[in-house]
Amino acid sequence: QKEVEQNSGPLSVPEGAIASLNCTYSDRVSQSFFWYRQYSGKSPELIMSIYSNGDKEDGRFTAQLNKASQYVSLLIRDSQPSDSATYLCAVNRPDRGSTLGRLYFGRGTQLTVWP
Amino acid sequence: EAGVAQSPRYKIIEKRQSVAFWCNPISGHATLYWYQQILGQGPKLLIQFQNNGVVDDSQLPKDRFSAERLKGVDSTLKIQPAKLEDSAVYLCASSLVGTGVGYTFGSGTRLTVV
Repeated sequence: QKEVEQNSGPLSVPEGAIASLNCTYSDRVSQSFFWYRQYSGKSPELIMSIYSNGDKEDGRFTAQLNKASQYVSLLIRDSQPSDSATYLCAVNRPDRGSTLGRLYFGRGTQLTVWP
Repeated sequence: EAGVAQSPRYKIIEKRQSVAFWCNPISGHATLYWYQQILGQGPKLLIQFQNNGVVDDSQLPKDRFSAERLKGVDSTLKIQPAKLEDSAVYLCASSLVGTGVGYTFGSGTRLTVV
């Protein structure tokens, strides 16, 4: 079982709709959770972080965390064509090989927002 | 604040040749990471430094990959000899205090091994 699983998509939504991106993780000791956006040919860019159960909102983005279900999601409201990118879920957990924990990435969900 | 600087942006080499990548982190960031991102996959951690010490290199193929971070600032990642499967984007990232917070990636080096 992979550490972090995401639906690879592609996910296609019309402009103005809500895009919902999902992520599950395998290890219950995971502590910190992140969403990165990666445009084609570019490096990942941090857009949201969440550390406790519940919702966290930042502008049009809402991250949701449910540790009991080991589930993280990202909602993008009023989706715009400029939101078209790959969204990477990343999970930090303590690791035997690292004193500072290790960040595990999913393979990403490709989102396309069409006008 | 200047971002994470990486060079070169692109590199094409033949298999069995050697190659080196350079990274300069954000000023004051103690933690530096090298990631490998193969097309269609998420980034995979290769090595993590805290200042100039290695804290995690468990996923670094040490028979061909090496990395150093002299004086706790710049870092280089070397591959010798390169294999076809090393074709990927090599991303450097830095953070103030480890992976408990998100961190900033550089623009990456796209390596093609032919």
